[in-house]
Amino acid sequence: GNSVTQMEGPVTLSEEAFLTINCTYTATGYPSLFWYVQYPGEGLQLLLKATKADDKGSNKGFEATYRKETTSFHLEKGSVQVSDSAVYFCALIDTNAGKSTFGDGTTLTVKP
Amino acid sequence: DAGVIQSPRHEVTEMGQEVTLRCKPISGHDYLFWYRQTMMRGLELLIYFNNNVPIDDSGMPEDRFSAKMPNASFSTLKIQPSEPRDSAVYFCASSSLAGGPYNEQFFGPGTRLTVL
Repeated sequence: GNSVTQMEGPVTLSEEAFLTINCTYTATGYPSLFWYVQYPGEGLQLLLKATKADDKGSNKGFEATYRKETTSFHLEKGSVQVSDSAVYFCALIDTNAGKSTFGDGTTLTVKP
Repeated sequence: DAGVIQSPRHEVTEMGQEVTLRCKPISGHDYLFWYRQTMMRGLELLIYFNNNVPIDDSGMPEDRFSAKMPNASFSTLKIQPSEPRDSAVYFCASSSLAGGPYNEQFFGPGTRLTVL
């Protein structure tokens, strides 16, 4: 079956630090890959996505590249802000299926 | 669009009572998902529907849990009888296959359930 493994948290960084949250996956087909973000007291919302190998998703300064050879989709941001404090979920979906497989989530705290 | 709408936002009840959570998906979406989130277990998929038909309910923890989708714009998740260990945030999400393989899910704000 499909699975997603995320870097364990929590992660604590100072403002303007570089962020990497690792994500690797196992899938039977050719999945689409996603990063979702959950701010305190809210539901998950899509941060970025990539649908095929070597695609790069980007949004709000965050980036992730779909690496088929290493089955990875690591999330990066060059300079984090306090407002980026949230829980980040990596997820995949088989392109002909309906449901997603989510990682366990990584809590990021950015201190001023 | 208003997004996925869930009600109530907060529910406090006593053990043994029936609880009903409600969800209105985004218009035109043909998939609907119910998730439960706790600190201990993280985000768990309970059940999902396609075109109002339950496809996979293997995540429903016990017979005390049931879900229905009588039409494309409404779904309920019912717990009867409720227990303290059911305390969690319950999310509803919807998605659509139309337009390609992206299938990103749109989440509602969640219902925070506390069973005393």
